[in-house]
Amino acid sequence: EVQLVQSGAEVKKPGESLKISCKGSGYRFSTSWIGWVRQKPGRGLEWMGIIDPGDSETRYSPSFQGQVTISVDKSSSTAYLQWSRLKASDTANYYCARPAGGGTGPFDYWGQGTLVTVSS
Amino acid sequence: YELTQPPSVSVSPGQRARITCSGDALPQQFTYWYQQKTGQAPVVVMSKDNERPSGIPERFSGSASGTTATLTISGVQAEDEADYYCQSADSSGKYWVFGGGTKVTVL
Repeated sequence: EVQLVQSGAEVKKPGESLKISCKGSGYRFSTSWIGWVRQKPGRGLEWMGIIDPGDSETRYSPSFQGQVTISVDKSSSTAYLQWSRLKASDTANYYCARPAGGGTGPFDYWGQGTLVTVSS
Repeated sequence: YELTQPPSVSVSPGQRARITCSGDALPQQFTYWYQQKTGQAPVVVMSKDNERPSGIPERFSGSASGTTATLTISGVQAEDEADYYCQSADSSGKYWVFGGGTKVTVL
């Protein structure tokens, strides 16, 4: 069974750094892209970017380019989303998700979400 | 690149709900539709414009023409009340985007 298990909720202050994780299991991790989706409270889904664990090719939405870093550790079948300096506007639920059929979309498996709260 | 959806659609039980999604690259790219209920992760209810995934009720159907894709729910049931998002790729096929979402309210 394919599973994506994300790290727990985080509460951070503006300016702090953060790295959240998404561990894949039940499939060959290196053969399937993994993406990240942001959902602000009461708002819609936003496609942030996606990474190929096989060669670490990464594609960022223009809206998120330079704002976050997506990475993977193949040895632990884990994808990461990180910020160097959080802002209050980064407060959101972040999902990792795996696209269907070996391509880059759509997403057929989702993690449970990681709620990130940034507040002074 | 943007996909445009109406913010809300209201429908009585048993009636038909239509949700549109507009985007310049839709003539070249497939549209996918997700259903998201409160507190849950999204679920694909329509693939490649009009292919219904296994387990999705037959009352869900999809179509596309030109720059507009449409998700139709025929014979809406109370359990269909949710947010619906379209998703597609830009003209390069490398970058994906979600529509703003449509809240379907069953009256």
